[in-house]
Amino acid sequence: DAGITQSPRHKVTETGTPVTLRCHQTENHRYMYWYRQDPGHGLRLIHYSYGVKDTDKGEVSDGYSVSRSKTEDFLLTLESATSSQTSVYFCAINTAQGREETQYFGPGTRLLVL
Amino acid sequence: AQSVTQLDSQVPVFEEAPVELRCNYSSSVSVYLFWYVQYPNQGLQLLLKYLSGSTLVKGINGFEAEFNKSQTSFHLRKPSVHISDTAEYFCAVSKGNTGFQKLVFGTGTRLLVSP
Repeated sequence: DAGITQSPRHKVTETGTPVTLRCHQTENHRYMYWYRQDPGHGLRLIHYSYGVKDTDKGEVSDGYSVSRSKTEDFLLTLESATSSQTSVYFCAINTAQGREETQYFGPGTRLLVL
Repeated sequence: AQSVTQLDSQVPVFEEAPVELRCNYSSSVSVYLFWYVQYPNQGLQLLLKYLSGSTLVKGINGFEAEFNKSQTSFHLRKPSVHISDTAEYFCAVSKGNTGFQKLVFGTGTRLLVSP
């Protein structure tokens, strides 16, 4: 357990509404990531952060924005949710073991956009 | 660009039988390789990783994988599976080992273990 929590764990929303997902970590890790998981696609990187207020896009960033105002929190926002954003969203962090770093994943948020 | 191919979307096997889940990757640079497991309705858990050194990597729950650079493969094996190994398994590749790690995932292989 790398001390990652995600909230909410489940959400149902309607098309066009804004949605914010939260990832919280307790161990001051610098790098944080948001992925989405869809059948037939595995996991794909949406955005990542390399420090407070430092974020960058991943491969599927359209329709998503992120913010990181504190080390421990990384927020993913869908400004206007669409049905194509129905997915399971995972947050991840890098943890260091000596000189090696490994990504550990949170429990996921299941989002349904009607 | 890197990519990962998991040829088998589903692998059915009987309990106590051996299993191999296949993973091939493509990359023009040296890579780091990972296997993650996802149990139903849970997040991903790291099974094992290859960063350097011995090409045979041992992980948790009795799994091991062998890195084969000439065949660009990183197949996952277990000599005797249990019902509890039923899960989805993801192979992933990364160029970096520190700092930003862009993990590129395969599409996953569902392992179904039956009695």
